[in-house]
Amino acid sequence: ETGVTQSPTHLIKTRGQQVTLRCSSQSGHNTVSWYQQALGQGPQFIFQYYREEENGRGNFPPRFSGLQFPNYSSELNVNALELDDSALYLCASRTGGRYGYTFGSGTRLTVV
Amino acid sequence: AQTVTQSQPEMSVQEAETVTLSCTYDTSENNYYLFWYKQPPSRQMILVIRQEAYKQQNATENRFSVNFQKAAKSFSLKISDSQLGDTAMYFCAFMKLIQGAQKLVFGQGTRLTINP
Repeated sequence: ETGVTQSPTHLIKTRGQQVTLRCSSQSGHNTVSWYQQALGQGPQFIFQYYREEENGRGNFPPRFSGLQFPNYSSELNVNALELDDSALYLCASRTGGRYGYTFGSGTRLTVV
Repeated sequence: AQTVTQSQPEMSVQEAETVTLSCTYDTSENNYYLFWYKQPPSRQMILVIRQEAYKQQNATENRFSVNFQKAAKSFSLKISDSQLGDTAMYFCAFMKLIQGAQKLVFGQGTRLTINP
């Protein structure tokens, strides 16, 4: 297993800009979820993709969007960045039928 | 709404001691999954242990075990013979289905420090 890899590890953006965060999952992991973890808090569910389709979403506005690709990679896109978007963004993936998610080490996004 | 509460923001014990982290949750569902995750400074969430609600037997993984009390909606984690490498944030999480997706609902976390 190669694990779940996220890039970049750190990122600084200006309010109003757009950002794309990337995740590379293990082969066979057809389900990927994205979480936002504010400083000192537990992660919050953003959305989940299964076989390249979004199949669940948390309480996040439409400016948070995603894509999942056939090669088990995925993206989280955030438009019109706000200061409150500063957080650690975690990607988690698993194979179908298994309830154990494998998490990446996250991308630390700072919006100034 | 499902919620997960961890009432201990921080805990500290000596190496080799036993420590118990508390977690309570609120749900109206009957079948669900509960998890404990560990998040060291490397930031990666690492699965420590999992419990299926339909199983009465408490889950164990080496030095880690849980005390699952379904009626009380309590799910505590016991770490025996604690080691320096156990130092990390620990998150209790509940899994629920939302629109067909499996969503983890996390507590606020407990910062555990193991002292030499």
